[in-house]
Formats: sequence, C-alpha cells, structure tokens
Amino acid sequence: EVQLQQSGAELVKPGASVKLSCKTSGYTFSNYYMSWLKQMPGQNIEWIGNIYGGNGGTGYNQKFKGKATLTVDKSSSTAYMDLSSLTSEDSAVYFCARREYRYNYFDYWGQGVMVTVSS
Amino acid sequence: DTVLTQSPALAVSPGERVSISCRASEGVNSYMHWYQQKPGQQPKLLIYKASNLASGVPARFSGSGSGTDFTLTIDPVEADDTATYFCQQSWNDPWTFGGGTKLELK
Repeated sequence: EVQLQQSGAELVKPGASVKLSCKTSGYTFSNYYMSWLKQMPGQNIEWIGNIYGGNGGTGYNQKFKGKATLTVDKSSSTAYMDLSSLTSEDSAVYFCARREYRYNYFDYWGQGVMVTVSS
Repeated sequence: DTVLTQSPALAVSPGERVSISCRASEGVNSYMHWYQQKPGQQPKLLIYKASNLASGVPARFSGSGSGTDFTLTIDPVEADDTATYFCQQSWNDPWTFGGGTKLELK
C-alpha cells in the first residue's frame, strides 16, 4: 500500500525557515516524482514544484522559486521541502503528493501539515 | 497562468445526477484531472486525463471534455459524496487548480 506520511504541524516566527518532511512507503521511491502543494484556508490548491526521487532533479512553479527548496533522501525514501523567509502569506496546509509522470496528476497524497507563521 | 473556473457550490438530493463544470482560460488538451476533498482531509484522485476513472473509484463518477470545457458527473449521488471537488490541469506550466465546487446534499 502506497503511503505518504508527513511531519507534524509547525508554528514558526516571521522571517524564520521551516523544513517539512514526507516519508514514503509501498512503492519504489526513486522511480517517481514527488510534488508539493499549498492550500491556504478555504482557498484553492497551488502547485509548488516537483522533485525526482531518482536523482533529485527539480522543477518549480515560478511563483515559489526562492521560497521553496525541494530535496530528497533516497536512503530513507523521504522528500523534504524547505520554506524560507516566512510571512503570514505562507500560513497554509502543505501537502506532498506523488506525481504520475505521463499526465502529471497526483495519485497519492500525504495527510497535509499545517504551517502557521506568527510572532 | 491557466485559470480554471468552477461554480462555487451545488446542492442536490441523494439519488440524483449532478454535473460539475470546469472551464479553462486556455486549451489544456485532455490533461484535466479531478479530485475530491472532504473537510480536514487530503484530496483524493477521482478522474485523470479527462475521462479515466482512478483505481478504486466507484463507477458513479465519470468525466468528459477536452480543450477548455470539462465536466465531472456523479450519478447517482450518495450522501458520502458531500465534499469539495477540484479540477486540475497539467498541460500548461504552471499546473493549476480550480477554486473548487462544494457539493452539498439536500
């Protein structure tokens, strides 16, 4: 069974950074891309970027370049997302989701992690 | 960016048929996908590439369309279908989502 398990909720101060994790199981991590997505309360979903589990190759939504940095640890089948210079606009639920490579849809999702930016 | 426009909300009775629309601001070929999201949960894939049913999804769900106009149909609607439904396109960069249609049951 494919599973994506995300780390717990974060409360961070403005200007700080946070690193989110997404530990996977049930499939060959290095054969798939992992995507990260943002959902602000009551709002639609935004695609942040992708990272390939095999070689760490990345692709980003231009909007999130400089804000998000995606990495992977193949040895633990875990994907990470660093968010930097946090502001209130970064307060949201962040999901990791496995990307199907041909048609670029998201077939399995993590449970999401709430990031709250507040002093 | 490609803007996907969905109706904000619909209300239907159990047993009825409902169609949820998604209109793209520019053509997306057939690279349109649909997700169901219940409160406090992650989205769940229903339909990929416009009309293909995802694994484990009941045949009550179906999708159609190409180009700029797409439809998700649920027939018949069941009480458990209360949720928000999102469309997502992956033809144009960046990939984008619609604002979601909240389906309520009468």
